[in-house]
Amino acid sequence: DVKVTQSSRYLVKRTGEKVFLECVQDMDHENMFWYRQDPGLGLRLIYFSYDVKMKEKGDIPEGYSVSREKKERFSLILESASTNQTSMYLCASIQSGELFFGEGSRLTVL
Amino acid sequence: SQKIEQNSEALNIQEGKTATLTCNYTNYSPAYLQWYRQDPGRGPVFLLLIRENEKEKRKERLKVTFDTTLKQSLFHITASQPADSATYLCALDGDSSASKIIFGSGTRLSIRP
Repeated sequence: DVKVTQSSRYLVKRTGEKVFLECVQDMDHENMFWYRQDPGLGLRLIYFSYDVKMKEKGDIPEGYSVSREKKERFSLILESASTNQTSMYLCASIQSGELFFGEGSRLTVL
Repeated sequence: SQKIEQNSEALNIQEGKTATLTCNYTNYSPAYLQWYRQDPGRGPVFLLLIRENEKEKRKERLKVTFDTTLKQSLFHITASQPADSATYLCALDGDSSASKIIFGSGTRLSIRP
């Protein structure tokens, strides 16, 4: 079975802190994604990566950056966390059109 | 810009009935459309993918239709069970890149015994 693992299920950070959300997939998928999910807004694409060191902006990249140094790992970085980045963050990889999601990281920024 | 609309109101269905969820999209012609299930506090789980040249697809008690003229997909769960209660998300491949998947906001389905 494909497994997408997000390093933290729950995080609490303070405004201005730098936050790293890590995601690892074990199926050698080329493409990986970061979404955030908020009530009433659904899943919104932040960034995606189609190869090592390659990235593309999604619909809401402002305030975020990403890193893909190895094929299996895709990291989401909040350079200076703000309260409006409190959300559920979901990482996914894709094969044959099917997205495989991690369990999510719920981030609270105080 | 592309827009995906799902009924934001929760759908309450009696056990044993067929649940039908709707996904409408505008300003785009996707190559495929997908449905996912999401339980509270969990990541979405893939259910079905239907391509633009397919009208209907089935998997066990699930059926999906795809009408590219109406720009609409219908998702049916027959013989619904309380365990089917979840939020169901519709997703399309993105405009500029087949790797960019965009989602609707989901419809919460509750099946009462």
